[in-house]
Amino acid sequence: GQNIDQPTEMTATEGAIVQINCTYQTSGFNGLFWYQQHAGEAPTFLSYNVLDGLEEKGRFSSFLSRSKGYSYLLLKELQMKDSASYLCAVRDDSWGKLQFGAGTQVVVTP
Amino acid sequence: DVKVTQSSRYLVKRTGEKVFLECVQDMDHENMFWYRQDPGLGLRLIYFSYDVKMKEKGDIPEGYSVSREKKERFSLILESASTNQTSMYLCASSFGGQTNEQFFGPGTRLTVL
Repeated sequence: GQNIDQPTEMTATEGAIVQINCTYQTSGFNGLFWYQQHAGEAPTFLSYNVLDGLEEKGRFSSFLSRSKGYSYLLLKELQMKDSASYLCAVRDDSWGKLQFGAGTQVVVTP
Repeated sequence: DVKVTQSSRYLVKRTGEKVFLECVQDMDHENMFWYRQDPGLGLRLIYFSYDVKMKEKGDIPEGYSVSREKKERFSLILESASTNQTSMYLCASSFGGQTNEQFFGPGTRLTVL
């Protein structure tokens, strides 16, 4: 079956770094996405990994290890506006379907 | 800017009613998706469509149907609403191809009484 696991909640201080881990076991793999979702809003795309390694985009970086079924999203220099839910999603077929984890709620405190 | 719009932000219906949720995208995307989002369960795929008049079941299609008569519009239909269909419904669209991300609408919070 499909299984995508990520922590339920993480708390960090403004200016700090937080790493959100995601492990997956899916029937296929064609890439991993990270989305950000603020309360009451639509998810918005953050990053995409299909090959092993690190992808950096400003304060956000995402890492993938396909052999370990593992990814993380790294948020640096945390800001209050980064308080949101972060969703890990795996594309498990050759079309566009995504399997989502339950999301990690990140709380940034002053 | 890609825009995905949904017909209602909030909807309250009674058990047994037929419910229509509409989704429109303005970027000529081939793919469109309907999800429901529940606390602790994440987003679960109900139905998706790769082309006009084409539909495929997702992970939880029971109790739902869809319609895609035009490329830009994808409708989700609850034939006879039940209380366990109370949820947040999110529509998404994307270009075809493996690397293309999905763009989401703002969601419709449906309450079935």
